[in-house]
Amino acid sequence: DVVMTQSPLSLPVTLGQPASISCTSSQSLVFSDGNTYLNWFQQRPGQSPRRLIYKASKRDSGVPDRFSGSGSGTDFTLKISRVEAEDVGVYYCMQGTHWPRTFGQGTKLEIK
Amino acid sequence: EVQLLESGGGLVQPGGSLRLSCAASGITFSGYGMNWVRQAPGKGLDWVANISPTGDNTYYADSVKGRFTVSRDNSKNTLHLQMNGLRAEDTALYYCVRGSMGPDYWGQGTLVTVSS
Repeated sequence: DVVMTQSPLSLPVTLGQPASISCTSSQSLVFSDGNTYLNWFQQRPGQSPRRLIYKASKRDSGVPDRFSGSGSGTDFTLKISRVEAEDVGVYYCMQGTHWPRTFGQGTKLEIK
Repeated sequence: EVQLLESGGGLVQPGGSLRLSCAASGITFSGYGMNWVRQAPGKGLDWVANISPTGDNTYYADSVKGRFTVSRDNSKNTLHLQMNGLRAEDTALYYCVRGSMGPDYWGQGTLVTVSS
């Protein structure tokens, strides 16, 4: 199975400051069609997960542009340019290239 | 508006069975692969199973292979998860999720508790 490793697991951030989460996969996530199926999800307290980023860097409709995804192959990053109070929650990466699908452990973002 | 509504959760004894359902609306259900993803209390996300748009192909996490069966009825826009041989470690909120490679829409989940 592809192991997805996130860091850090806990991320205290001051409002208005940037934040960055790393996700590393144990195998390349490039699919045979040339796409890289790496997704980022946000789960706010008490809510279902919401997808923010797909194909490593494509932002979903309605997602603020302060969120961005980057990376290729096995190394990926989610960046928040300026953290707002509504960004509190747990962030997960998930690979959609290989079976079985696998998630990272989650990164808990809190306001410092 | 896309809606995924799970049902069928509850309290079951170890070794017992449950059948979860997910009713989809606002989407062309037959055009998408569908997943079940679970989340144990206070824990992270755990992918469980996937079924292709036509139902011809299914995939499972090793932890549930041989015990769980995913199926779908495209005529009724409904996804199912038959869970047999339930264990305490299967206790979780089970989400119905659309999309095989880039899951996008999630339901609110249905809670399964396995306990004697």
